[in-house]
Amino acid sequence: DAGITQSPRHKVTETGTPVTLRCHQTENHRYMYWYRQDPGHGLRLIHYSYGVKDTDKGEVSDGYSVSRSKTEDFLLTLESATSSQTSVYFCAIRAGGADGYTFGSGTRLTVV
Amino acid sequence: DQQVKQNSPSLSVQEGRISILNCDYTNSMFDYFLWYKKYPAEGPTFLISISSIKDKNEDGRFTVFLNKSAKHLSLHIVPSQPGDSAVYFCAARKFGNEKLTFGTGTRLTIIP
Repeated sequence: DAGITQSPRHKVTETGTPVTLRCHQTENHRYMYWYRQDPGHGLRLIHYSYGVKDTDKGEVSDGYSVSRSKTEDFLLTLESATSSQTSVYFCAIRAGGADGYTFGSGTRLTVV
Repeated sequence: DQQVKQNSPSLSVQEGRISILNCDYTNSMFDYFLWYKKYPAEGPTFLISISSIKDKNEDGRFTVFLNKSAKHLSLHIVPSQPGDSAVYFCAARKFGNEKLTFGTGTRLTIIP
């Protein structure tokens, strides 16, 4: 989607290795989110940020950390990847108000 | 604990007919509800929303109905078109809370 890009789009990694996913926005939005999508679970919130260096946990935050040192970038790190973290990861941004969550195209991560 | 439920994993509808997608929720603190549409290999895109102070919201071919006493909402698409074939997620949010809680999704297939 315009204004939000995720990288990489696909990644295969080995169990126990660290992995960092990047979300970049050009909209200067305050709020940024990381979700994972799994069959039978829909989308579940991992972490979110409400400003530079301001982050909070979502419902499935165990095993994940995040950082936001600049407004435009929100990084999701798997310190030691496990097979249960094989998923599709979506970043979202929002300026304010209840609507207007814009999602990126996703990163498909496979942990082998 | 699935607080937002979409009990129909899939739905097939003839082109030109009405599509009705359903969503139930258990948390009475939810006060804002959204529907997202998702095509394969893309992120979800916002479709329509409704506040708990309303019982209906309309946008073109899409109408969302909210029944607070039953904790139920539905999305009506009329007339259904082939481009409507996608996975539809409902989502809910509590006032002042950043977290969107998603349902598991319903795959809608429009039959030409």
